[in-house]
Amino acid sequence: DAGITQSPRHKVTETGTPVTLRCHQTENHRYMYWYRQDPGHGLRLIHYSYGVKDTDKGEVSDGYSVSRSKTEDFLLTLESATSSQTSVYFCAISGPGQGLGGNQPQHFGDGTRLSIL
Amino acid sequence: QKEVEQDPGPLSVPEGAIVSLNCTYSNSAFQYFMWYRQYSRKGPELLMYTYSSGNKEDGRFTAQVDKSSKYISLFIRDSQPSDSATYLCATAGGTSYGKLTFGQGTILTVHP
Repeated sequence: DAGITQSPRHKVTETGTPVTLRCHQTENHRYMYWYRQDPGHGLRLIHYSYGVKDTDKGEVSDGYSVSRSKTEDFLLTLESATSSQTSVYFCAISGPGQGLGGNQPQHFGDGTRLSIL
Repeated sequence: QKEVEQDPGPLSVPEGAIVSLNCTYSNSAFQYFMWYRQYSRKGPELLMYTYSSGNKEDGRFTAQVDKSSKYISLFIRDSQPSDSATYLCATAGGTSYGKLTFGQGTILTVHP
């Protein structure tokens, strides 16, 4: 299994509170991604990173921010959680990849189940 | 229209059946095609990874890509109850930093 650890695995919180999810990898891969998975929508990309401090928006980035200060850690923050952000969040990594593209297959963590009441 | 459309299923088959899972895509720039298997409460697990058109076989699994019709398929031979899972197709291409576009997933159940 790819060395990807997501924490926490489960979280319940209230609307309006900040929430940070952590993805930690031990593979030294360049690319990291955050997805959310909802019934009927499949997996949708929130944000991704192509290097330390290099991040960009995905398909559903509104209400989310990310940071990557080290190769191994990619943080996803919900600044003020809303009920529509209740979902299962997956982190993925790919690499090593060179230059643009990095079209290596992605490997996923086991997800964080987030419930916002 | 979504960029990747996947037959939603659910699909229920008897053990030993041949299973066919299918997706269509609209973006001709896609060049990389993947199939993932996802068990309940787990992350997606890469099953097959192919580049451009053609077939790729791995044990009981065969992935097929037809770029001319923008159609991708996964065949499972001699299906087993352990194959019961959600199957996701995904595509990528160009200078997209490896960003994947996923289908909605097909739930497969194989009955003993």
